[in-house]
This record gives sequence, C-alpha cells and structure tokens, in this order.
Amino acid sequence: EVQLMESGGRLVQPGGSLRLSCAASGFSFSNHVMSWVRQAPGKGLEWVSGVSGSGATTYSADSVKGRFTISRDNSKNTLYLQMDSLRAEDTAVYYCAKGLNWGSNYMDVWGTGTTVTVSS
Amino acid sequence: DIQMTQSPSTLSASVGDRVTITCRASQSFSSWVAWYQQKPGKAPKLLIYKASTLESGVPSRFSGSGSGTEFTLTISSLQPDDFATYYCQQYFSYPITFGQGTRLEIK
Repeated sequence: EVQLMESGGRLVQPGGSLRLSCAASGFSFSNHVMSWVRQAPGKGLEWVSGVSGSGATTYSADSVKGRFTISRDNSKNTLYLQMDSLRAEDTAVYYCAKGLNWGSNYMDVWGTGTTVTVSS
Repeated sequence: DIQMTQSPSTLSASVGDRVTITCRASQSFSSWVAWYQQKPGKAPKLLIYKASTLESGVPSRFSGSGSGTEFTLTISSLQPDDFATYYCQQYFSYPITFGQGTRLEIK
C-alpha cells in the first residue's frame, strides 16, 4: 500500500525552528517529486516547497523562501522540511504529497498531515 | 506566479443536481490542471489531472475540461458523499498554485 506519514509537528515559539519528516512506503520513492503543502486553520491549500526525485532541484514559495528548506534522503525513503524563523502565520497543518515528476507535479498521494502551531 | 481564481466560493445544491465549478488562470497554458476534493479534517484527494483525466477509482460522474485560461470540474449527478470542498491546482509552472476553494453544500 502506498503510504505517507508525517511527523514532527508541535507548538513552537515565534522565531523558533522545527523539522518535519515524511516517511514514504509502497512506491519507488526516488522516482517521484515530493512536495509540502500546508493549510492554515479555516483556509485553503498553499503549496510550500517541492523537491525532485534525485533531490537536485528544489523550489519554494516566496512566503517561506529563505526560512524553510526542503530535502530528502532516498536511502531512508524520507522527506524533510526544515523550518526556521517561524512566524505565527506559519501555523497550519502540513501535508507531504507525492507527485509524478518535476514537470508533472499533480499530487496523487497525500499524508494525513502534522500540525504546526507557532505561538508564544 | 500564476493565480488560479475559482468560482463560486460556495455552491448550494441538492442530491441529483449537475454542478460545475470554474477555475480561471491568470495566464494561458495547456492542460496542466488538477482537481482535488477535501472533506473536513482529511487530506485532499486527487480527482482529475491533466485537466480531464480521471484518477483511478474516482467515480465517472466527475469530469474535467478546459484549456487556456478556463478550466471546469463537473459533477453530473450529486451524491451525498460529494458534499465537500474542491480545489483546482496548476502545475504548469513553479510555484505551484491552488485556487481558493469551492465549498459544495447541501441545499
């Protein structure tokens, strides 16, 4: 069964750091683009960052550029999101999602999400 | 960045109705649009990709069409399980962007 499982979300103070993880199983992880998508409480979906199958290519939304870093470890079938300089507006459920490839990044498998709350 | 504008924001309909949700892109491109369904407290579910290709396992009452700047999702005969929020997404260029969502509610 194809599965994604996020972890690492918690309450953190403004200015703090957090690393999210997403464990993948049931598919050839290194062959697929992976993304982080977030959803603030009561709001819509916002794509955050994406990384190509090899890990060589990444892209992030302007709202997180310079603060968040996406990476992957294909030997561990795991996707990461390093989140620094966190702000209240980063409060959201963070989903990891599997795409087809870098040029065709529609997301056919999603995790259940992990909640990040940024508050003092 | 490509902006995706969905309409309507909220749609009230009854079981058996045919409904259409529209997504307009801020620039023209071919078919690089996907549609998702999301229920409260759950992750989004892929319905359609490449504007009109139905994802495996998705009921045939869902269909998609469009190219250029206008894309539509149609549900031919609403079922009770279809009341949810729907999002379009463009993957023509980075950053990937989503529409703001359409909440489909029971009339």
